[in-house]
Amino acid sequence: QEQLQESGPGLVKPSQTLSLTCTVSGGSISSDAYYWSWIRQHPGKGLEWIGYIDYSGSAYYNPSLRSRVTISVDTSKNQFSLKLRSVTAADTAVYFCARAPGTFDIWGQGTMVTVSS
Amino acid sequence: EIVLTQSPGILSLSPGERATLSCRASQSISSSFLAWYQQKPRQAPRLLIYGTSNRATGIPDRFSGSGSGTDFTLTINRLEPEDFAVYHCQQYASSFLTFGGGTKVEIK
Repeated sequence: QEQLQESGPGLVKPSQTLSLTCTVSGGSISSDAYYWSWIRQHPGKGLEWIGYIDYSGSAYYNPSLRSRVTISVDTSKNQFSLKLRSVTAADTAVYFCARAPGTFDIWGQGTMVTVSS
Repeated sequence: EIVLTQSPGILSLSPGERATLSCRASQSISSSFLAWYQQKPRQAPRLLIYGTSNRATGIPDRFSGSGSGTDFTLTINRLEPEDFAVYHCQQYASSFLTFGGGTKVEIK
């Protein structure tokens, strides 16, 4: 059974870059059947798709975040990563990584990231 | 951007009752590209339904989805205690994926 696990700092200072990694286990990130995704959830709110990437490195982003986001993939480590630049308190959220063949069928447990000085 | 509006925001029901949740899209989408998720507190969402009406692996048959165009429905027959949660709809008809705001099904 494929599993995903997020890792990264839980606290980021305003104006800095949020960096998270998702490690895929029990399967290969190099499969051409999937997109590897980041989704976030502000406290008490709904879900917001951030973007996704395929194994070749082709990435697609939410237009509202595109100017600040980069998603990359490292097939040698079976990982993909999120970088969100110039963060503010509005970026405080639980960040999930997920596997997407259109729908999000496998999710990581999520990691809370707080933006605060 | 396809905006999904879920209603009601909160649904208060008793175990054994039927829950009917609505998801309305701002423009018509193919029924092949509408999904539903269940989320319990401090957990990741779980895929319930894809392609409007197809249950994901392991999902009980008391969960069913229907709809077309701009109006979609998730029905939960005979609510079990473990069904009280938040439900999200999601469209994947466009390359800009979007979710609804969620419906909380709470115990009355």
